[in-house]
Amino acid sequence: KAGVTQTPRYLIKTRGQQVTLSCSPISGHRSVSWYQQTPGQGLQFLFEYFSETQRNKGNFPGRFSGRQFSNSRSEMNVSTLELGDSALYLCASSWTGSGTQYFGPGTRLLVL
Amino acid sequence: DQQVKQNSPSLSVQEGRISILNCDYTNSMFDYFLWYKKYPAEGPTFLISISSIKDKNEDGRFTVFLNKSAKHLSLHIVPSQPGDSAVYFCAAGSSNTGKLIFGQGTTLQVKP
Repeated sequence: KAGVTQTPRYLIKTRGQQVTLSCSPISGHRSVSWYQQTPGQGLQFLFEYFSETQRNKGNFPGRFSGRQFSNSRSEMNVSTLELGDSALYLCASSWTGSGTQYFGPGTRLLVL
Repeated sequence: DQQVKQNSPSLSVQEGRISILNCDYTNSMFDYFLWYKKYPAEGPTFLISISSIKDKNEDGRFTVFLNKSAKHLSLHIVPSQPGDSAVYFCAAGSSNTGKLIFGQGTTLQVKP
């Protein structure tokens, strides 16, 4: 069974631009969670989607948003990029959201 | 408010010996805990988990111990191998959310 995939793997943007990242969960998994990893803050939860609905949200500004499609694939969007948004963005999937989450390889975003 | 803490940023052990990684948490609502292994610029890889109704779970060389009264868990790796060298994260979750709270990570180095 294929693992979690994320595209693109690397991205360079400039301040003020917006970006969309994509995540395809493990087949059959209905929950997709997104995390941001930075050297200073570690791994922080952004939000979780289950059956196309945002079920939980972390402490991030409204510039960070997401959505989930009927096939459980998910996208996250960051608008008006800031230098501090440079990070590794990880998505993880699980059957229901509870229990083990399996992570993708991440998207490395660099904001210049 | 750091709900999950890994107080040792790094640990160095000799090949063949035991590695013990520790994690403390503050939120009594957590009802499952996981350990992940991570290499730079990659997604975390799931290692082992434990439910709050258990005090021990074993999988090959990896054993996780949970002490609920002390709000403490530990990961034991026996015997340690050079390929185990990586950053280890503990994470905690509640069954009604898809949100994991991560510790800051411990870098394990296993010397040949």
